Amino acid sequence: EAQVTQNPRYLITVTGKKLTVTCSQNMNHEYMSWYRQDPGLGLRQIYYSMNVEVTDKGDVPEGYKVSRKEKRNFPLILESPSPNQTSLYFCASSPLGGRSWGYTFGSGTRLTVV
Amino acid sequence: SQQGEEDPQALSIQEGENATMNCSYKTSINNLQWYRQNSGRGLVHLILIRSNEREKHSGRLRVTLDTSKKSSSLLITASRAADTASYFCATDSYGQNFVFGPGTRLSVLP
Repeated sequence: EAQVTQNPRYLITVTGKKLTVTCSQNMNHEYMSWYRQDPGLGLRQIYYSMNVEVTDKGDVPEGYKVSRKEKRNFPLILESPSPNQTSLYFCASSPLGGRSWGYTFGSGTRLTVV
Repeated sequence: SQQGEEDPQALSIQEGENATMNCSYKTSINNLQWYRQNSGRGLVHLILIRSNEREKHSGRLRVTLDTSKKSSSLLITASRAADTASYFCATDSYGQNFVFGPGTRLSVLP
């Protein structure tokens, strides 16, 4: 089944403790992206990647890192999480950056930083 | 930067009625897409309409695009309780990241 898999689904962590949220897609998509969703603010893009070893900042990149060493994987790294990073996170992928096809989203990761 | 803005923010209708949601945007687009999100879950792509298209259908969904007014509408006909969700428009524009609007919360009452 074509899908984007995120792990974990839920995560509670403490301020400053480094964490990684994994994202993997099995559709051979070039484009992958991370979003955060907050009440009243909608979905905001954190980082995106047009292809392997190519990443770029979205609208809210501060406090996050990403890497794209392989086409299928696009992990989101929080080096020193803070409470304002408590949010619902989504990974998405698409061929050609969604220009001709829509995005496929993962099921989300609900992160709480205390 | 928010490109698409859905209207209304929330909508409640009875099962069997039609639901119409609108999306307005500011700059020229390549395409506009509609997504559905069930509570707390990932977004699901519904339909994509290109800037040179005016109307598209998919099952009970009908999307229109008016580039002169920079607006789009999503019509769900004969709504069902299972259509209860949030609906987002997203725009793809030259030189801009793909941008989602804040969404319309649709409640379909049995």
